Amino acid sequence: SQTIHQWPATLVQPVGSPLSLECTVEGTSNPNLYWYRQAAGRGLQLLFYSVGIGQISSEVPQNLSASRPQDRQFILSSKKLLLSDSGFYLCAWSPTRTGELFFGEGSRLTVL
Amino acid sequence: GNSVTQMEGPVTLSEEAFLTINCTYTATGYPSLFWYVQYPGEGLQLLLKATKADDKGSNKGFEATYRKETTSFHLEKGSVQVSDSAVYFCALKTSYDKVIFGPGTSLSVIP
Repeated sequence: SQTIHQWPATLVQPVGSPLSLECTVEGTSNPNLYWYRQAAGRGLQLLFYSVGIGQISSEVPQNLSASRPQDRQFILSSKKLLLSDSGFYLCAWSPTRTGELFFGEGSRLTVL
Repeated sequence: GNSVTQMEGPVTLSEEAFLTINCTYTATGYPSLFWYVQYPGEGLQLLLKATKADDKGSNKGFEATYRKETTSFHLEKGSVQVSDSAVYFCALKTSYDKVIFGPGTSLSVIP
């Protein structure tokens, strides 16, 4: 069966520090991969998605970036965090073209 | 552009009441439509889906029909239970596999 792992689960970072959130999927190949941010009491904001290695679509022109160095690995990064980057980040995967998303457990980021 | 709009919550119903959560969308091409549910303390999970016009998705007593003419995908259930208390998200997938979500609707069912 397929599983998705996302880490770290919680982190507290100072303003201006770098960020790296990692997500890996097991048990499938060539998945679509997604990064979302969920604000408290609000919906999911799509940040990045990828339909293949090296193919990243960005939805949010801020100081975040994403990379897909391997087929089942998706990384969310920032060189310098802002206070506004605080939030709950969710990674998700789907079988190609279905749109049926399976979510990781999320990473709660607090920027101080 | 692509977008999903949902009725604002929170919605509070008595047990066995009829539920409707409205969802409308804007999209180019022919999107697939989804309802996801997030139970308290849990992650999002797929509730139901429809991939083309006039399709009806159903699961756990919930139903939604893909209406292209009104660009809608309203979620309905004939008799809600306390265990249905959750946040419900409408979502669409574009032809380029981008998946976007509505803001979510919180439902509380009281005995």
